[in-house]
Amino acid sequence: EPEVTQTPSHQVTQMGQEVILRCVPISNHLYFYWYRQILGQKVEFLVSFYNNEISEKSEIFDDQFSVERPDGSNFTLKIRSTKLEDSAMYFCASSALPQLLETQYFGPGTRLLVL
Amino acid sequence: GESVGLHLPTLSVQEGDNSIINCAYSNSASDYFIWYKQESGKGPQFIIDIRSNMDKRQGQRVTVLLNKTVKHLSLQIAATQPGDSAVYFCAEKLSSGGSNYKLTFGKGTLLTVNP
Repeated sequence: EPEVTQTPSHQVTQMGQEVILRCVPISNHLYFYWYRQILGQKVEFLVSFYNNEISEKSEIFDDQFSVERPDGSNFTLKIRSTKLEDSAMYFCASSALPQLLETQYFGPGTRLLVL
Repeated sequence: GESVGLHLPTLSVQEGDNSIINCAYSNSASDYFIWYKQESGKGPQFIIDIRSNMDKRQGQRVTVLLNKTVKHLSLQIAATQPGDSAVYFCAEKLSSGGSNYKLTFGKGTLLTVNP
């Protein structure tokens, strides 16, 4: 069964450093998403992406964040200068279409720890 | 404010019993709801969804009920098994206001199945 994959599974970084989280969405999907989950809290939407453009972003997704689809398979989330409060699980998701009833399928996540 | 929330943060059941997990939502513009299961160290896994024009939908061992009058969603798991132990999230999707892409998650209910 096709699935979303993410690398690395865990990342530890120093505050102020840049990190890049990588995702390979399901191959025939066109819409991609990043969510995050701070320990013990809800899963929160960060950004959606289609046709090489951001479709929607939350207030969390500030200028420190960026997304990119560098090739036909990868979808990345970059945090330019990490802060302590960026420590969280980051989930990538994809859907075939963005329509209202289209299910989003999630990857296993990357656990980011900022020291 | 929180748009989607859960009534019970934890639920403990005996193997073989039926489980009911509840979710309240406050945004009447939400048209689509999804239940996700999250096992430890993994990403949210799609279980079942329901459109707002439906009251009930059944899957394999799971049933989702939607009561739009009181803005309440529930997930029923029949003959609960130890493998059902996980955190269960409800999520909603808005159909208007430019938020056609993101899912808004509730905080989650931890289901523990005792053998």
